[in-house]
Amino acid sequence: QKEVEQDPGPLSVPEGAIVSLNCTYSNSAFQYFMWYRQYSRKGPELLMYTYSSGNKEDGRFTAQVDKSSKYISLFIRDSQPSDSATYLCAMNDMDSNYQLIWGAGTKLIIKP
Amino acid sequence: DTEVTQTPKHLVMGMTNKKSLKCEQHMGHRAMYWYKQKAKKPPELMFVYSYEKLSINESVPSRFSPECPNSSLLNLHLHALQPEDSALYLCASSQVTGGEQYFGPGTRLTVT
Repeated sequence: QKEVEQDPGPLSVPEGAIVSLNCTYSNSAFQYFMWYRQYSRKGPELLMYTYSSGNKEDGRFTAQVDKSSKYISLFIRDSQPSDSATYLCAMNDMDSNYQLIWGAGTKLIIKP
Repeated sequence: DTEVTQTPKHLVMGMTNKKSLKCEQHMGHRAMYWYKQKAKKPPELMFVYSYEKLSINESVPSRFSPECPNSSLLNLHLHALQPEDSALYLCASSQVTGGEQYFGPGTRLTVT
């Protein structure tokens, strides 16, 4: 079993829909969670990061962490065709092993 | 400004060539990273520099040689590469090791 599980998709939704992207993890020591967006043949772009359980909002994006369930989510409201990309979750435990552990990435397609 | 720059954008080299990839950041970050990314896979960590000292080398072949001339610059020297080394090479930086990482656009390397 991988430390971080993420459905590779593709996930196809109509423009304007609310998108939910998710990752589950097995290591309870993980405490720092990040979401990256990567367009084809480009470097990953940091979208959101959070230390704690709960929600963090930035514009149309909301990151949610549930440490009790070892489950994190990224919600995108009012999705646009320009949001079509691969979304990767990443996490680490900061203290003993600061290497990022990555999900596989979910390919998201927003249909006009 | 959260910009990490990388040069060149594209590189084609033969198996006997020697070339270098360059990375620069001006965010005052003290940790810098080299990653390798194959298509449809998450980035794989190669090297980590913390305060200009190599702190992690993820068992990377010696044909890859990193160098950190100062806190803003990171180089990756390439020699006698194999076709399977063709990939997107990404540089990233973070304020300290384990913090959120900011990626450059990458160098797309093709080994012929």
